[in-house]
Amino acid sequence: EAGVAQSPRYKIIEKRQSVAFWCNPISGHATLYWYQQILGQGPKLLIQFQNNGVVDDSQLPKDRFSAERLKGVDSTLKIQPAKLEDSAVYLCASRLSGLAGLRDIQYFGAGTRLSVL
Amino acid sequence: QQQVKQSPQSLIVQKGGISIINCAYENTAFDYFPWYQQFPGKGPALLIAIRPDVSEKKEGRFTISFNKSAKQFSLHIMDSQPGDSATYFCAASRSGNTGKLIFGQGTTLQVKP
Repeated sequence: EAGVAQSPRYKIIEKRQSVAFWCNPISGHATLYWYQQILGQGPKLLIQFQNNGVVDDSQLPKDRFSAERLKGVDSTLKIQPAKLEDSAVYLCASRLSGLAGLRDIQYFGAGTRLSVL
Repeated sequence: QQQVKQSPQSLIVQKGGISIINCAYENTAFDYFPWYQQFPGKGPALLIAIRPDVSEKKEGRFTISFNKSAKQFSLHIMDSQPGDSATYFCAASRSGNTGKLIFGQGTTLQVKP
């Protein structure tokens, strides 16, 4: 079974530029998450999709961050304009079903490391 | 209320020793407590998880101990190996259709040969 695919792996941009990250979840996984992991910290949820609908975006800085999930499969996360404090690893995760349970594991991709100069 | 506090920040253990990482939470609505392992350049991967209806869960060399009254849980790695060197995150979530995980700050474990 293929894992969660993310691209690019690394991105370096200057502040005020825009950037986009792409995620392809595990086939059949209805739930998709985007997390932000700042160096030395645990991942923090930015947005959660159930199929192609947003379930939770309470911690997404909506003035600069946006995300979409096309046809309930792939997802893109965009930052425009980027700030220095956006430097982090952006992780995508997917889960099989919509209901949380002990066996409903979140599978993470390797992430995109963003450096904003 | 939503925080999960993890300690220590870093840990050095000799090969064959026991590694212990602790977490504490405040929100009593949390009912799922996983531990994730993350190697450099990789995403976190589920290691072991527990629900509060049991006080301990063991999988191989990894054990979660859970104290509901103290709102604390810990990961014990027995017979620690150099291959266990990684960053470990505890997390917590509530039942429901979101599965949103609240992560601790992480513990970097180094197992010396």
